[in-house]
Amino acid sequence: ETGVTQSPTHLIKTRGQQVTLRCSSQSGHNTVSWYQQALGQGPQFIFQYYREEENGRGNFPPRFSGLQFPNYSSELNVNALELDDSALYLCAGTSGSRSSYNEQFFGPGTRLTVL
Amino acid sequence: AQKITQTQPGMFVQEKEAVTLDCTYDTSDPSYGLFWYKQPSSGEMIFLIYQGSYDQQNATEGRYSLNFQKARKSANLVISASQLGDSAMYFCAMSPLTRHLFFGTGTRLTVIP
Repeated sequence: ETGVTQSPTHLIKTRGQQVTLRCSSQSGHNTVSWYQQALGQGPQFIFQYYREEENGRGNFPPRFSGLQFPNYSSELNVNALELDDSALYLCAGTSGSRSSYNEQFFGPGTRLTVL
Repeated sequence: AQKITQTQPGMFVQEKEAVTLDCTYDTSDPSYGLFWYKQPSSGEMIFLIYQGSYDQQNATEGRYSLNFQKARKSANLVISASQLGDSAMYFCAMSPLTRHLFFGTGTRLTVIP
């Protein structure tokens, strides 16, 4: 048990729709990162939030956006869904300072299917 | 730019034997962390072991050890006494100072009874 939960577990959307994925992390996890894992590939970094501010972003378009809340929960929003957005979305929480290598605790993921 | 390479798409090992999963990395950052994660079919990423770039000794966590060769930029995972429950995808990952992870493409390990 990592103490990180994600909802929903599975989600089916159609192209062009918008989706919000949620993550709830442990108390003390001041940093949350979101990853996209396409089938058969390793996770790809989407963005990271540190103390409610974006602290780095991977090679994803602006239609991928996020929020982090004071209660250690966070959201990933994706607008104008495309077929290629079908993937497992993982969030990971970690504590520590801005420049340390603390272990990241992953949630079970949300599997998004775009039809 | 950061890059992680795992050249073994699939590996087989006999139960109770040891197995080495390969990982090489490329980075220009002077300081970084190296991680191995296990991903069962359920999808959750399970942390196995961590190695800091300035650590002098190889990391060990129970049956897992990390063979860190900094000059060769390699961070191989060694699993001793393999168990059936070790069958899963294994990902090597690197974290620069920004702390998010760059992952390799993974190795699927199958433990044979």
